[in-house]
Amino acid sequence: QQPVQSPQAVILREGEDAVINCSSSKALYSVHWYRQKHGEAPVFLMILLKGGEQKGHEKISASFNEKKQQSSLYLTASQLSYSGTYFCGTERNFGNEKLTFGTGTRLTIIP
Amino acid sequence: GAGVSQSPSNKVTEKGKDVELRCDPISGHTALYWYRQSLGQGLEFLIYFQGNSAPDKSGLPSDRFSAERTGGSVSTLTIQRTQQEDSAVYLCASSLRGTGLGNTIYFGEGSWLTVV
Repeated sequence: QQPVQSPQAVILREGEDAVINCSSSKALYSVHWYRQKHGEAPVFLMILLKGGEQKGHEKISASFNEKKQQSSLYLTASQLSYSGTYFCGTERNFGNEKLTFGTGTRLTIIP
Repeated sequence: GAGVSQSPSNKVTEKGKDVELRCDPISGHTALYWYRQSLGQGLEFLIYFQGNSAPDKSGLPSDRFSAERTGGSVSTLTIQRTQQEDSAVYLCASSLRGTGLGNTIYFGEGSWLTVV
């Protein structure tokens, strides 16, 4: 039931692009993306809802393939501040009311 | 308050003692969540409150764990007879009405629990 994220870890140079994937074995209603820096609380990035609605960050984009139960987060022209662990949280049904979080993807940006 | 507030921020306790962790959600948020994060691990769901009731307690690991919420606001997570495997960061989060309406959840800084 826990979504699977890939890759588990990635190291990029500043300015490079990254894609982080989140896959579920079950149908999903929504996918939420968070970034957590070491020792800090997870911070909201984006919500993707079944039907195509998105709410989120201006500089980050994401996709949600309902048929494949997959979501991808796209980080372009990465900055040092993008470093952290990215989590996807999935909600299976409307009214499920809780997020089940993935295993996390650790992103390190180097100068 | 402006954000989700948790206390204590750090707690070291002896094995077998009881601990209480407190969460003060964002004002007006009816949904409240407790998650647990072990070192280097993901976020493990514990319990969800809507108002004062807990429609989903499925994540509580054992009967040593309990939680309550009063006045539709502050919540307390209690761990009885703590064990070393309880050591983790306990994160509280709140949401305006629940994620089912496309609302995001906002996390507190967490309570770092160490059982020695």
